[in-house]
Amino acid sequence: DGGITQSPKYLFRKEGQNVTLSCEQNLNHDAMYWYRQDPGQGLRLIYYSQIVNDFQKGDIAEGYSVSREKKESFPLTVTSAQKNPTAFYLCASSMGGFGNQPQHFGDGTRLSIL
Amino acid sequence: AQTVTQSQPEMSVQEAETVTLSCTYDTSESDYYLFWYKQPPSRQMILVIRQEAYKQQNATENRFSVNFQKAAKSFSLKISDSQLGDAAMYFCAYRKETSGSRLTFGEGTQLTVNP
Repeated sequence: DGGITQSPKYLFRKEGQNVTLSCEQNLNHDAMYWYRQDPGQGLRLIYYSQIVNDFQKGDIAEGYSVSREKKESFPLTVTSAQKNPTAFYLCASSMGGFGNQPQHFGDGTRLSIL
Repeated sequence: AQTVTQSQPEMSVQEAETVTLSCTYDTSESDYYLFWYKQPPSRQMILVIRQEAYKQQNATENRFSVNFQKAAKSFSLKISDSQLGDAAMYFCAYRKETSGSRLTFGEGTQLTVNP
């Protein structure tokens, strides 16, 4: 079945440590996105990518980094510069970056501080 | 910048009744798309319905329908014959037509369905 796979489901970070969240899709989608969701709030865009080897900052990119070396993969690294990383992270993809293409979401990764 | 506002943090409805969730947005664009997403306790984001701004006809998907008022920049979701499985957080989202545009989400409305 086609879909978006995020791993791990739960992740713990120590102070000063970088951690990487995985996002893989087999939908042959061009565009991929990373969102952050804090309790009781909506989703905020961290980074997005329309094509391989290209990505743009979203609204809250500070303390995060991404890469897009393959169409299927869009990993997110939460760096030690992100002082409040505890949140639920959602990855999404869509067929192209045009407005009429709905975004499909993974099941998310919950990141917590040890 | 576009903004999406959901003024009802929480709503409740009796099973089999109808409920309407409100959403307003602010944009200077003429071409755009609006979406309602559902997030159950599993936290998965599920697309419920979408509306193209150039279409005057309101979108409908089974028990879910929207009331799209372009001039008023309003996009409400009506759930008919509510079921226990409809209980979730509902997010309204906006997306421009242009390539690379991303979703802007509202804060969400937590819907409770009472048996």
